[in-house]
Amino acid sequence: FILTQPHSVSGTPGETVTISCSRSSGYIASTYVQWYQQRPGAAPTTVIYEDTQRPSGVPDRFSGSIDISSNSASLTISGLRTEDEADYYCQSYDTTLWVFGGGTRLTVL
Amino acid sequence: EVQLEQSGAEVKQSGESLKISCKGTENIFGSHWVAWVRQRPGEGLEWMGIIYPGDSETKYSPSFQGHVTISADKSITTAYLQWHSLQASDTAIYYCARTSGNSWQDQVDLWGQGTPVTVSS
Repeated sequence: FILTQPHSVSGTPGETVTISCSRSSGYIASTYVQWYQQRPGAAPTTVIYEDTQRPSGVPDRFSGSIDISSNSASLTISGLRTEDEADYYCQSYDTTLWVFGGGTRLTVL
Repeated sequence: EVQLEQSGAEVKQSGESLKISCKGTENIFGSHWVAWVRQRPGEGLEWMGIIYPGDSETKYSPSFQGHVTISADKSITTAYLQWHSLQASDTAIYYCARTSGNSWQDQVDLWGQGTPVTVSS
């Protein structure tokens, strides 16, 4: 299966943005979804794991969810800050491998 | 602070071999898997494969099977990614990442800083 993300999203400071991750086949709830943030020139970091869980140190402005009806996962960032400007990747699992989404560039205007 | 420390940048010629490393500070491999992820210039993340250093069980993405070799030496908490014949299309940054538990489907809780590899033809 493939995970499809929008190429880009944007928002202004203080706003709430949502990034979607649509699974092409199989059920979105059948395997966990992770979300990674990658700032320019840096390694990725995990911001959401197991669909909705935040690692310690990740602010609660970041939240994850899944929607069975649309077979997709979402990452929502509230109270947008300039430091949230980054690429975001969703990731899940196939039978014997990891699958990454193509990534979404978040621009904070 | 526990970290994954990757080997330094490499510049190679097409056809050469290369082995890069990912070393865990302290004994942080334990019951964890270590994955390798490729990022070509200006592109997204691609999963290459994963290894369990405890018994060297390895899984490969079909896209990379046969072109790279993933290995590990648990005695020195180090995982490796190896090429026998590099191609220009292998130019990328390579990240290692550790899972939080003993399942290959556990989430990543540690990332390495990345190893840039440049291959010229």
